[in-house]
Parts: sequence; structure tokens; C-alpha cells
Amino acid sequence: KAGVTQTPRYLIKTRGQQVTLSCSPISGHRSVSWYQQTPGQGLQFLFEYFSETQRNKGNFPGRFSGRQFSNSRSEMNVSTLELGDSALYLCASSLLFSESGETQYFGPGTRLLVL
Amino acid sequence: QQQVKQSPQSLIVQKGGISIINCAYENTAFDYFPWYQQFPGKGPALLIAIRPDVSEKKEGRFTISFNKSAKQFSLHIMDSQPGDSATYFCAAGGEAAGNKLTFGGGTRVLVKP
Repeated sequence: KAGVTQTPRYLIKTRGQQVTLSCSPISGHRSVSWYQQTPGQGLQFLFEYFSETQRNKGNFPGRFSGRQFSNSRSEMNVSTLELGDSALYLCASSLLFSESGETQYFGPGTRLLVL
Repeated sequence: QQQVKQSPQSLIVQKGGISIINCAYENTAFDYFPWYQQFPGKGPALLIAIRPDVSEKKEGRFTISFNKSAKQFSLHIMDSQPGDSATYFCAAGGEAAGNKLTFGGGTRVLVKP
């Protein structure tokens, strides 16, 4: 089975721009979660989508948004980029509603640099 | 509010030694405690996970010890190898937490040959 894929892997943007990141979960997985990883704050939960609905949201400003499509692929968008948004954005997929359904499998991440 | 505290931040161990990483959590609703291993340039990979109904789980050289009353859990890496050099994250979650994982701050482990 192919793992979680994320595109693009690297991205450079300037302040004020917006960015869209994409995640394809493991085949059959219907839950997709997004995390931000920075050296200072560590791994922080952004949001989770299941069956095209946002189930859970972390403590991030409204500039961070996401969506999930009917094929479980997910995108996250960050508008009006700030320098502090520079981070590794990780996507994780899980099966849910099975014995080990909450196990989350992470993709390689998209490294975003905001200049 | 940091709900999962991880220590130490970094660890140096000789090859063949034991690496021990500790985590403490606050939210009693957590019922799923995974450990992830992350190499530079890669996403975290699930190493081993435990639920509160057992006090210990072992998979190969990796063992989780869990103390529900103290709300603490730890990872022991036995016979540490240079290939184990990575950053390790504990996490807590579960259905009651809405499938959201709360991560500890990470421990950078360096195994010297």
C-alpha cells in the first residue's frame, strides 16, 4: 500500500501571499489530520477531516483552513502568510472505526518557507 | 497549555546502552498513547503504542511502561544502536479527545558508536 503523500514537498512564499498544500491519504483511510511542526512549538494539531467534514480544530487563526474531498484527499490553505508560518506541515491519515483505527500515519510533510 | 510534557529534551547514549524517555499527561480523557520516531527530513513514524488497560508493552527493543495513576508513560530503547539516532515524540489521544493527537516536545536521541 502506498503511504501518505504530500505535495509539494518544498515551497517558498512571501509575506501576504496564500498557499495551498495537498495530502493524499493511504487508500481506504477516511480521516485526515493536519499538523504544524516548528522548532519552537513542536508538533501542533491544526484540524481533522472525516468524510468531508471538519471534526476537530486546533488553536490556529482563521487564516488556516482546510477541506476534504469525496475521495478523502485533503487540502489546507493558509492566507495572508506571515513569517511565523514557516514550518513543516504534516498530514496524517487514519482508518477510524476499527480496532486500531486511531493510528495515524504521517506523510513526509511540506516544508514552507515564508520570506 | 502543554498537556503532554516530555523529558529529557536530548539524550546521548553509548551503543548497547538503554535510552529512557519520559512523558506526563494531564487530560484523563486520553486513552491512547503512541510513540513516534522522526528522522531528519521525514515525517514521524509510529513506533509503538499503548492503551491504559496494560502497564507495559514490548516490541523488539522498544518497551512502553505506563502508570495510569501517575499519568506518566515512558519509552525504553534497549541495546541502543546508532540507527536509533532520531527525535522521539510521545503523544496522547483517543476517541474521547476527538482523534486529535497532542504531542510532547520531543527528545533528540544520539547513539554514539
